[in-house]
Amino acid sequence: GAGVSQSPSNKVTEKGKDVELRCDPISGHTALYWYRQSLGQGLEFLIYFQGNSAPDKSGLPSDRFSAERTGGSVSTLTIQRTQQEDSAVYLCASSPGGETHSPLHFGNGTRLTVT
Amino acid sequence: AQSVTQLGSHVSVSEGALVLLRCNYSSSVPPYLFWYVQYPNQGLQLLLKYTTGATLVKGINGFEAEFKKSETSFHLTKPSAHMSDAAEYFCAVSPFFGNEKLTFGTGTRLTIIP
Repeated sequence: GAGVSQSPSNKVTEKGKDVELRCDPISGHTALYWYRQSLGQGLEFLIYFQGNSAPDKSGLPSDRFSAERTGGSVSTLTIQRTQQEDSAVYLCASSPGGETHSPLHFGNGTRLTVT
Repeated sequence: AQSVTQLGSHVSVSEGALVLLRCNYSSSVPPYLFWYVQYPNQGLQLLLKYTTGATLVKGINGFEAEFKKSETSFHLTKPSAHMSDAAEYFCAVSPFFGNEKLTFGTGTRLTIIP
C-alpha cells in the first residue's frame, strides 16, 4: 500500500520567504509526527498529533514554525520568514496509534534550502 | 526529560566482523527503546524495539539489541557485518507513561570495509 508521502521533495527558498511543507500520512494512521534532520544533529522532534487531542508542540524551535492537521489526515508544516539555519530535511512520520508505541512509518522527507 | 546518547558518530568495521553500535538512555523509568535504520536515499525504518519482557530483542537483517537496566544501555549488535549494512543508525526512546513521542539520538553512520 501507499506509504507516507511528502511534498515537495526539494525546496529552495530565499531568506525571509514563507514555505509550506505537506505530509500525507498512511490512511487510517491517527498519529502524525514532524521531525527535522540536520547534519550532525540527528532527528529533532518538532510536533506530534494524535487523533483529536491537542498537539504536542514542545519541539517547535520558534514562533515562526507552525503546523496543522486537517480532518485528522493531511498535515502542513509552515515556516514563516525563513532563515538559513532552517535549512534541513523535514521528515514526517505516521503510526496507527491504536497499539501502544507502534512503529513509525517515515516519508522520504523534504529537503529545504534557504539561500 | 528522557534522552539517548549514541557514542560514536561514525563506526567502520570490516565485512564479516562484529558490529557494535552503542546507545545509552536517560530516563527515570525504564522507557521503550528503538533502533531505526536509514539506508542511503531511503526513509527511516524500524530495525527493532524493546517494550517489556525479554531483554534481548531480535530485529530484521540479523541485528539484535539487549536492554540492560543496570547500565541504562541498549546497544545494537550483529555478529557478521555485510556490505548492505552500510547505513545510518538511530537509537530512540519513548516514555513508558504519557504520549508516544520518540526522542532520537544523533545517529551513527556505519561504514563497511570490504
